[in-house]
Amino acid sequence: DQQVKQNSPSLSVQEGRISILNCDYTNSMFDYFLWYKKYPAEGPTFLISISSIKDKNEDGRFTVFLNKSAKHLSLHIVPSQPGDSAVYFCAASEGLGGSARQLTFGSGTQLTVLP
Amino acid sequence: SAVISQKPSRDICQRGTSLTIQCQVDSQVTMMFWYRQQPGQSLTLIATANQGSEATYESGFVIDKFPISRPNLTFSTLTVSNMSPEDSSIYLCSVHTGRELFFGEGSRLTVL
Repeated sequence: DQQVKQNSPSLSVQEGRISILNCDYTNSMFDYFLWYKKYPAEGPTFLISISSIKDKNEDGRFTVFLNKSAKHLSLHIVPSQPGDSAVYFCAASEGLGGSARQLTFGSGTQLTVLP
Repeated sequence: SAVISQKPSRDICQRGTSLTIQCQVDSQVTMMFWYRQQPGQSLTLIATANQGSEATYESGFVIDKFPISRPNLTFSTLTVSNMSPEDSSIYLCSVHTGRELFFGEGSRLTVL
């Protein structure tokens, strides 16, 4: 049972336009959500996160939106740049305490930004 | 943040053999995590490596297949034992800082 789903395996966007990557989750206990970016031959790198007490978090060109009632989050990249071309993973975690927070990952979305 | 180095970065292995992946972190961490990413799939947690105690394995992963060592607070190894083509994956070491995970660059194993 996939608790975190990224239903679009790929997305192509023109340079300068907005990229919107979507993620749905089923576990209502998730309270922290993250996006990771992965280039080929590299490990995933943390991009941006959001706590369940917020509905938006912005960092430069990247904004994450959380809709708790719909159990849906999205990552907006604007303007998109060719260097943003990568696989984007959505991840979620639950509970409090300690450093042993386990993340549940989605299957990823390959973003291609066309010059 | 943390700097995580993994070795080997990639390898091609024969069926039935075993391979040990090393993970070095530039700071002391309580827990280290090993993930697997099969082709086209999500990242799946294999186990949590605790210093001074046995690793904690997730459902579907067993110690005999994926033995883990954690001799100190900056180093861990994951062995993939008796490999089959189904073990062809990227294996990733990670550590926790705050609420984010930081990953090594991964070890891409291809089993023939």
